[in-house]
Amino acid sequence: SQQGEEDPQALSIQEGENATMNCSYKTSINNLQWYRQNSGRGLVHLILIRSNEREKHSGRLRVTLDTSKKSSSLLITASRAADTASYFCATAPMDSSYKLIFGSGTRLLVRP
Amino acid sequence: NAGVTQTPKFQVLKTGQSMTLQCAQDMNHEYMSWYRQDPGMGLRLIHYSVGAGITDQGEVPNGYNVSRSTTEDFPLRLLSAAPSQTSVYFCASRTEIQGSEQYFGPGTRLTVT
Repeated sequence: SQQGEEDPQALSIQEGENATMNCSYKTSINNLQWYRQNSGRGLVHLILIRSNEREKHSGRLRVTLDTSKKSSSLLITASRAADTASYFCATAPMDSSYKLIFGSGTRLLVRP
Repeated sequence: NAGVTQTPKFQVLKTGQSMTLQCAQDMNHEYMSWYRQDPGMGLRLIHYSVGAGITDQGEVPNGYNVSRSTTEDFPLRLLSAAPSQTSVYFCASRTEIQGSEQYFGPGTRLTVT
């Protein structure tokens, strides 16, 4: 079964608005990562947050991690049409952190 | 650096045929893995390798074989293709350091008729 599950499955917003995606997982983790996938392409790494971190920023991206709730969120501020893509969270389980287990993703559409 | 490369980009097989999906990386990464992605779903781990000569099963290994004779190459073999193996296959690599980002290839779109 999937370790991480994203919510919502799909999100449509206007350019300039903020987009928030959530990820829940089931077991203890070493770290959590977010990836982006443009249609028909491979995945691109966005940001990694370790289990002892609570928040991390990278440009217009802000990621939070709440290990007590086993959840993470990805915030994209001031969205652009070029942000249209699918976003996946991936967890590295504590007992097998060589593996990276992906959720089913959030499809983001940013309307110009 | 070419990064992670995969061949072919597209492939159509008949049920029962076998084939090998090629994956290579030039970043000297110890860890390599294969995923499949089905419509509306995330990536599911098929097999992975933590170094040359070492492989292990992921979530959905049935019907697939892998080997890792060199650090650079990690081929995925479909033994007897089935329609359920119609999917997009991604190869990925990263350093052996836990918590490092993973680099993905462009994918191979496989259709089994």
